[in-house]
Amino acid sequence: SQTIHQWPATLVQPVGSPLSLECTVEGTSNPNLYWYRQAAGRGLQLLFYSVGIGQISSEVPQNLSASRPQDRQFILSSKKLLLSDSGFYLCASSSGQGYEKLFFGSGTQLSVL
Amino acid sequence: GESVGLHLPTLSVQEGDNSIINCAYSNSASDYFIWYKQESGKGPQFIIDIRSNMDKRQGQRVTVLLNKTVKHLSLQIAATQPGDSAVYFCAENHDYGGSQGNLIFGKGTKLSVKP
Repeated sequence: SQTIHQWPATLVQPVGSPLSLECTVEGTSNPNLYWYRQAAGRGLQLLFYSVGIGQISSEVPQNLSASRPQDRQFILSSKKLLLSDSGFYLCASSSGQGYEKLFFGSGTQLSVL
Repeated sequence: GESVGLHLPTLSVQEGDNSIINCAYSNSASDYFIWYKQESGKGPQFIIDIRSNMDKRQGQRVTVLLNKTVKHLSLQIAATQPGDSAVYFCAENHDYGGSQGNLIFGKGTKLSVKP
């Protein structure tokens, strides 16, 4: 099975500061990669997904961007954080082949103050 | 669509009782369904999945039932334990073997187990 490494686990950032969250995947090649955000006590919102290096699809307009510089590396970024960017960010991976079971990382709790 | 904007419903059960968590899905063309368990502060963990050519699938202490007629999915947990306390999400897959595999998540249900 796949292992998703995501860091940091928690992050406190001031409004207007930049953001970079990194995710790496082990145990698979050419995975589909995803970034989700989860507000406290709520469901999962898909932010970005990628089917290959340099290929990024955005699901919702927002203050964030994503990049995939390597096959098993997915980065979530922002140039200037907003208060509304606070939340629990999850990286996920799937095989990209047929029925898609997502494997999730342990998440990053981002607080923008 | 995306599961955002609403607070989670809660199910409270006594330790040892059976739990049933329900989920309604939106797309009659969905052919693959998954249940995830998410403990506080952690990422969702896969529990069990089912394809649309099945009505029932059993795992260890868990059973998933699929009713395609009414687009309803349920997760049954036998002999619920305190360690089962978590938020449970259902997810549906709209793609037929496509490379995206974009899962659509339900709103989630918080299960609380009373000792």
